[in-house]
Amino acid sequence: GQQLNQSPQSMFIQEGEDVSMNCTSSSIFNTWLWYKQDPGEGPVLLIALYKAGELTSNGRLTAQFGITRKDSFLNISASIPSDVGIYFCAGESNFGNEKLTFGTGTRLTIIP
Amino acid sequence: EAGVAQSPRYKIIEKRQSVAFWCNPISGHATLYWYQQILGQGPKLLIQFQNNGVVDDSQLPKDRFSAERLKGVDSTLKIQPAKLEDSAVYLCASSPRRRSANEKLFFGSGTQLSVL
Repeated sequence: GQQLNQSPQSMFIQEGEDVSMNCTSSSIFNTWLWYKQDPGEGPVLLIALYKAGELTSNGRLTAQFGITRKDSFLNISASIPSDVGIYFCAGESNFGNEKLTFGTGTRLTIIP
Repeated sequence: EAGVAQSPRYKIIEKRQSVAFWCNPISGHATLYWYQQILGQGPKLLIQFQNNGVVDDSQLPKDRFSAERLKGVDSTLKIQPAKLEDSAVYLCASSPRRRSANEKLFFGSGTQLSVL
């Protein structure tokens, strides 16, 4: 099955730094979702985007639905230790189809 | 509110053996999903149930994988016989209704399967 390409694959940053990651697809999506997965746990939804160009925030997290509908971006400002984990984007191609295609993930590590 | 429950948390088997995973979704959730997450990859949908009916099993390897949700509540996923490439985390997820873009998907903690 198709998987979305996420970049970078991994990031090593210091606490307090800002983080940017993106997700690209060869296909158009109507919905973009961003999930975070902690070790030994299932993914948890962070942000949902429903319209091209939409910019949505959730605390220190901000995500954007790319204007071409083939990409999305996630930014984390002023990172803290609990931000450590793997971030996945997911796209949904048709309203009501419900099938999510997940990205390959970006692993975030915070260097003490 | 209790989350999605899965068991066991870990399972180690030899190739060609059989294995079964169990999932109890959030109470009242009509839609249940099984995902396979191979190390270093995102989750991949195996099968989706709406109540006790299958909505999508297009990516389920039906020669060895089977799943059921007989009473529209909990579900089991079985692999028989297992292959080395089945080593992965098997995630169960549920949502309140047939999910739309506005519905949240709730994941369990998963079962980590190692096939030796």
